[in-house]
Amino acid sequence: AQSVTQLGSHVSVSEGALVLLRCNYSSSVPPYLFWYVQYPNQGLQLLLKYTSAATLVKGINGFEAEFKKSETSFHLTKPSAHMSDAAEYFCAVSEVTGGGNKLTFGTGTQLKVEL
Amino acid sequence: DVKVTQSSRYLVKRTGEKVFLECVQDMDHENMFWYRQDPGLGLRLIYFSYDVKMKEKGDIPEGYSVSREKKERFSLILESASTNQTSMYLCASGSGNQPQHFGDGTRLSIL
Repeated sequence: AQSVTQLGSHVSVSEGALVLLRCNYSSSVPPYLFWYVQYPNQGLQLLLKYTSAATLVKGINGFEAEFKKSETSFHLTKPSAHMSDAAEYFCAVSEVTGGGNKLTFGTGTQLKVEL
Repeated sequence: DVKVTQSSRYLVKRTGEKVFLECVQDMDHENMFWYRQDPGLGLRLIYFSYDVKMKEKGDIPEGYSVSREKKERFSLILESASTNQTSMYLCASGSGNQPQHFGDGTRLSIL
């Protein structure tokens, strides 16, 4: 079975500082990996996805993530945090089963951005 | 844009009631999913469906059932609601290995 570990349930950064949200996965096959963001009282929006092409993946809102097979990691970064980035972030790994993909999510990281 | 619509944003029901949560998608996706979201636990898969009238159990199916009579609609049923089913419920749809698209969620309270 696949699993995802997100280190740090809460991360706080200053506006303009680097954002680093950590994600490690376990998978018996080459994984498909995703980062989603959830703003208050909303569903999940896709930030970016890794599907075995380039290891550095660029997403929306200036976020990017690097797939490192040797470290089984897929950490999310943004060079300069903005107040609007405050949200909960979920890493997920995809398992192909039956006719489609089943996602296993991490427990989420709440990002707080301070002035 | 893909639209996944959940019938209610907030719902309050009583213990023992039969509860229906409805989800409709407009992109002809073959796959549909129901998750529940609880603080500190992330999203956990309840049931999913790869085709009309097909369903498979996820990680936490106990106390729930589902129905998929039409491709665009996937219903989650709480047979006899209990207080431990108070949660945020999220529906998603997808195709193949493409990312899943999520609805805005239903916050369900069981009193």
